[in-house]
Amino acid sequence: GQQLNQSPQSMFIQEGEDVSMNCTSSSIFNTWLWYKQDPGEGPVLLIALYKAGELTSNGRLTAQFGITRKDSFLNISASIPSDVGIYFCAILSNTGNQFYFGTGTSLTVIP
Amino acid sequence: GAGVSQSPSNKVTEKGKDVELRCDPISGHTALYWYRQSLGQGLEFLIYFQGNSAPDKSGLPSDRFSAERTGGSVSTLTIQRTQQEDSAVYLCASSLSVYEQYFGPGTRLTVT
Repeated sequence: GQQLNQSPQSMFIQEGEDVSMNCTSSSIFNTWLWYKQDPGEGPVLLIALYKAGELTSNGRLTAQFGITRKDSFLNISASIPSDVGIYFCAILSNTGNQFYFGTGTSLTVIP
Repeated sequence: GAGVSQSPSNKVTEKGKDVELRCDPISGHTALYWYRQSLGQGLEFLIYFQGNSAPDKSGLPSDRFSAERTGGSVSTLTIQRTQQEDSAVYLCASSLSVYEQYFGPGTRLTVT
């Protein structure tokens, strides 16, 4: 399968701080997605990006699809305790059938 | 409304036994995916069903793994002769559109 490099692997931040994480691939993809997974739950889609250079916001979350189509980043502003969880990037294969996920960024927010 | 449900939520089995994991997708969703998530890892694609088309089985790790989807709804993932490396959380997702998958809570499989 495709390899997505996601960083950082984990983050420990103070409540109120901003967070940034990113994901890179060695190949070009046309769809990038960001998911959040809470303990004991399945991932939930946060943001989907379909166009190179696209910047999309969802509340305090902002994600961008890199212009090279090989990377994406996710920012969380003014973090709160419920932001705790594992964040995954994912791409849709160019055949349109399969999703490949990064290894995740574990976020801990210290009140 | 009802989301994706999976059963059992936890399964402990002895090495060499067969297991069946069940997924009930959201009613009306035509696509269904199975993934495997090992501890501290991302999701590994296993198999994809779309409507009545032949499934995409390209992610199944060995011939001990198989899946069915009956009547375009419920799906069963079967692992034969389980090995310890099969221990993981198995996640099912369903979708109407290609991009928006809704995940179930997963089945945690432990092979002893």
